[in-house]
Amino acid sequence: TQLLEQSPQFLSIQEGENLTVYCNSSSVFSSLQWYRQEPGEGPVLLVTVVTGGEVKKLKRLTFQFGDARKDSSLHITAAQPGDTGLYLCAGRLYNQGGKLIFGQGTELSVKP
Amino acid sequence: DTGVSQDPRHKITKRGQNVTFRCDPISEHNRLYWYRQTLGQGPEFLTYFQNEAQLEKSRLLSDRFSAERPKGSFSTLEIQRTEQGDSAMYLCASSQPLAEYTDTQYFGPGTRLTVL
Repeated sequence: TQLLEQSPQFLSIQEGENLTVYCNSSSVFSSLQWYRQEPGEGPVLLVTVVTGGEVKKLKRLTFQFGDARKDSSLHITAAQPGDTGLYLCAGRLYNQGGKLIFGQGTELSVKP
Repeated sequence: DTGVSQDPRHKITKRGQNVTFRCDPISEHNRLYWYRQTLGQGPEFLTYFQNEAQLEKSRLLSDRFSAERPKGSFSTLEIQRTEQGDSAMYLCASSQPLAEYTDTQYFGPGTRLTVL
């Protein structure tokens, strides 16, 4: 079983639509990060959330960390073809050193 | 700052051969991580170093795998007697944590290994 469940796994939408990706766990995380990955490349950091209930915005992207620090969401407004890629959430457990626990990823395709 | 670099970017080998990958972290980053990513999955933690000390190894890291960071700068990951199941993207990341919860990891482009 996956410690961090990400949903949906695949998402195909039209340009201009809104979408939300979810990252859920039964474990509590000290911090959670969202990455975007292009095919054949390494993940690129989008945001780190640390405080329960925290909301961060990055242009059309809104990230939220759940109050209980067990879940997070990524909302994209007015998606564009350039948003296409694999979105990964990754969390750090308390007292587990620096390693990141990743979700399975959400493959997003935005069609023009 | 040139970011994390990895070499080679692609490696094709025959089953049973040994392979070695190199990772150069961001300058002054004292932590270096190795992850493995198979198709359609998120990365899985393999091991990490703080300076030259290897602090943790995953159970995924069988006896055929060994990682080193001899001078606390670059790191190598060696796989002996490769198997087809070793085919994956091997990712390296580095960080300079101010506190545990602010340990932001920056990833390299990865090395794609194909074992025939």
